[in-house]
Amino acid sequence: GNSVTQMEGPVTLSEEAFLTINCTYTATGYPSLFWYVQYPGEGLQLLLKATKADDKGSNKGFEATYRKETTSFHLEKGSVQVSDSAVYFCALRKGDYKLSFGAGTTVTVRA
Amino acid sequence: AAGVIQSPRHLIKEKRETATLKCYPIPRHDTVYWYQQGPGQDPQFLISFYEKMQSDKGSIPDRFSAQQFSDYHSELNMSSLELGDSALYFCASSRGGAGDTQYFGPGTRLTVL
Repeated sequence: GNSVTQMEGPVTLSEEAFLTINCTYTATGYPSLFWYVQYPGEGLQLLLKATKADDKGSNKGFEATYRKETTSFHLEKGSVQVSDSAVYFCALRKGDYKLSFGAGTTVTVRA
Repeated sequence: AAGVIQSPRHLIKEKRETATLKCYPIPRHDTVYWYQQGPGQDPQFLISFYEKMQSDKGSIPDRFSAQQFSDYHSELNMSSLELGDSALYFCASSRGGAGDTQYFGPGTRLTVL
């Protein structure tokens, strides 16, 4: 079946550091890929998405590129801020309706 | 912009009681999804509805049922509650069925004592 494997956390960074969260997937064909972010005490917010190979999703300084050859969708941000502290979920959808999520990566950014 | 509305935001129940969670999708969205997120866990898909018909089913216990109404809002009914049902329940909505992006509500935190 479809599944997502996400880099384990927690990740602790200093402000202005570079952030990478690895995400790989298992699915047949070409799933749609997503990054969702969950701030403390809040719901899930869509951060970015990509629906076909080599697509790059970007939002709020975050980027992720859909790599079919490595079945990956790694999330990156060049300079993090304290406000980026949250839990980040990689997710995929292939064919059917449901999203399949990774385990989530907790990111803490210190001033 | 209008978002997905869930009510109540917090709910406390005793074991063996029933609970009803409500979800109001973004206007013009015709598809609703329910997810359950246990403490420190990733969200797990429960069930979805497209145009008032069940479209997909995940790991939803038989004690739970759900439906989508003519105004597209959805309700998740949970009976014989167990301690393990304590979780954050998310509703998400999209337009056009499986092909569109899902937008999540703030969630209902259910605590079963």
